[in-house]
Amino acid sequence: DAGVIQSPRHEVTEMGQEVTLRCKPISGHNSLFWYRQTMMRGLELLIYFNNNVPIDDSGMPEDRFSAKMPNASFSTLKIQPSEPRDSAVYFCASSSAPDSLLTDTQYFGPGTRLTVL
Amino acid sequence: QQPVQSPQAVILREGEDAVINCSSSKALYSVHWYRQKHGEAPVFLMILLKGGEQKGHEKISASFNEKKQQSSLYLTASQLSYSGTYFCGTYLVQGGSEKLVFGKGTKLTVNP
Repeated sequence: DAGVIQSPRHEVTEMGQEVTLRCKPISGHNSLFWYRQTMMRGLELLIYFNNNVPIDDSGMPEDRFSAKMPNASFSTLKIQPSEPRDSAVYFCASSSAPDSLLTDTQYFGPGTRLTVL
Repeated sequence: QQPVQSPQAVILREGEDAVINCSSSKALYSVHWYRQKHGEAPVFLMILLKGGEQKGHEKISASFNEKKQQSSLYLTASQLSYSGTYFCGTYLVQGGSEKLVFGKGTKLTVNP
């Protein structure tokens, strides 16, 4: 089985540009998570979906960030307009948590390294 | 809310042991341990649930102390392949929704 797939793997853009990150979760998984990783703050949860519905977006930094999950096999994280402080590695993870995150095992994708100049 | 991991970094020689601690200011219900090798994605190691049960994964084991609101990861007879950054994640219910909050990680380097 293929794992979580993310694209692009690397993105370099200029401040003010729109950036779209993509994720395909593991087939059959019903929960999807977007994380941002930086040296300063570590691994931060931005938003997560359960059965395509956003459950918690309290980690989304500001209105410049938006995420969608139009179907069970695809999600996007969009930054518009991008700023240099958005530079980070963005991970997507999925899980088949049937009841709760209490015992959830998350499978991470390879990440997208974003650099905003 | 973010759990605190200690130490921030540790360097070992192959065969030595290490302990990584994860402390929370909130009550612990479950602790999740992940390992991330340089340039790669985090990979699940184990989950510990409220109750103090100790889990194991090869020569890596962990404990959960509910009273101290702490979990510890034990790496025994370390191997070169153990090198990486170890993250603990703690389960929280906040504002009616669940989340997993990760610590900043402990970087482990195992040298020959």
